[in-house]
Amino acid sequence: DAGVIQSPRHEVTEMGQEVTLRCKPISGHDYLFWYRQTMMRGLELLIYFNNNVPIDDSGMPEDRFSAKMPNASFSTLKIQPSEPRDSAVYFCASIVNQNTEAFFGQGTRLTVV
Amino acid sequence: AQTVTQSQPEMSVQEAETVTLSCTYDTSESDYYLFWYKQPPSRQMILVIRQEAYKQQNATENRFSVNFQKAAKSFSLKISDSQLGDAAMYFCAYRSGDTLAGSYQLTFGKGTKLSVIP
Repeated sequence: DAGVIQSPRHEVTEMGQEVTLRCKPISGHDYLFWYRQTMMRGLELLIYFNNNVPIDDSGMPEDRFSAKMPNASFSTLKIQPSEPRDSAVYFCASIVNQNTEAFFGQGTRLTVV
Repeated sequence: AQTVTQSQPEMSVQEAETVTLSCTYDTSESDYYLFWYKQPPSRQMILVIRQEAYKQQNATENRFSVNFQKAAKSFSLKISDSQLGDAAMYFCAYRSGDTLAGSYQLTFGKGTKLSVIP
């Protein structure tokens, strides 16, 4: 398996624009997580899915953020409208079940100017 | 809520020497998992080692080993024979083992930046 695949690797956008980040988990992994990494706050969970269903979205900072998982092999994280404070690295990760370790994608570095 | 603390923002070690990175955590649970992840400049999060709380034996992976002190809620990482490729950010992480609560997410410390001096 190619591992968790995220796209794009880098995204630069202007304030107010819509941004969509994409993730393909490892095949057979039932859980998918979105994390955000910033210097100030470190790595924090935004949302996670189990079998395509959102389980915990308490980390989503505000209504400008939304995440979907239309099928087992694809998830999106959307920010609309984007703001400079959204600049961060966004990671997607997946696990088979609770007893296994998480595998991370390479992350998307988002810069909002 | 669980918290993970890494008290050393930066550490350095001479090549071929040994270094220990500290991690403490706070939890009221008895069943959980602990992890060390490495993040090199490439940004990729790479699992270094994992420890199940119910196991008394400390985990070991080649040059990497942990000192797991459950009562003290301490989980330090020892890197032996340090190599230049070990230079990276290292994150300690906690995950609940409570399957009923369904808390499968990782809680991370703020990280320790390790430099390896040739």
